[in-house]
Amino acid sequence: QVQLQESGPGLVKPSQTLSLTCTVSGGSISSGNYYWTWIRQPAGKGLEWIGRISTSGNTNSNPSLKSPVTMSVDTSKNQFSLRLSSVTAADTAVYFCAREGRKNGYNPIDYWGQGTLVTVSA
Amino acid sequence: DIQLTQSPSFLSASVGDRVTITCRASQGIASFLAWYQQKPGKAPNLLIYAASSLQNGVPSRFSGSGSGTEFTLTISSLQPEDFATYYCQQLNSYPLTFGGGTKVEIK
Repeated sequence: QVQLQESGPGLVKPSQTLSLTCTVSGGSISSGNYYWTWIRQPAGKGLEWIGRISTSGNTNSNPSLKSPVTMSVDTSKNQFSLRLSSVTAADTAVYFCAREGRKNGYNPIDYWGQGTLVTVSA
Repeated sequence: DIQLTQSPSFLSASVGDRVTITCRASQGIASFLAWYQQKPGKAPNLLIYAASSLQNGVPSRFSGSGSGTEFTLTISSLQPEDFATYYCQQLNSYPLTFGGGTKVEIK
């Protein structure tokens, strides 16, 4: 059973960089050619897809995000990471890491981390 | 970006009721749609993918239908554990997008 766990600071100052890491357990991050994904959810609001990365380093990200997004993967540690730079209060949210599954040509998100709250405040 | 519009945004129902939630896409997405259930303080849980395929372990009272631009999620007989918020997500093109959610509450 694949499990994902987010980690990182819960408080970030405006204009600084938000950095989160997701640790995958229960299987190798390199197996299965999956994409590994970040999604966020402001309090009381809906879900926003941030981006995804493959273990070969291919990425897609959401151009609607005002803060520049950088993603990376470390297969030796079975981890992938997210960096949002120049954050504002609008980046305050629960951040989820997740796996994009592979089901008969469809790629729904089939495994999720529990989520971590990041607050942007001085 | 593909916009997804869910309706209703809120519904009140009783245990045993049949519930239907609609998701409309701003452009055709074939069957590239998934449905998720989210309970307070928890991550979403995949219910349906490919518009109508039931994820392993999901009760058969959940079903999905539709293609192109109009999709529905149906719960045939609402159970106490089904009171939650439901989201659709399009898997057709990037950036992936979600509907605004439908909160199902107890009448």
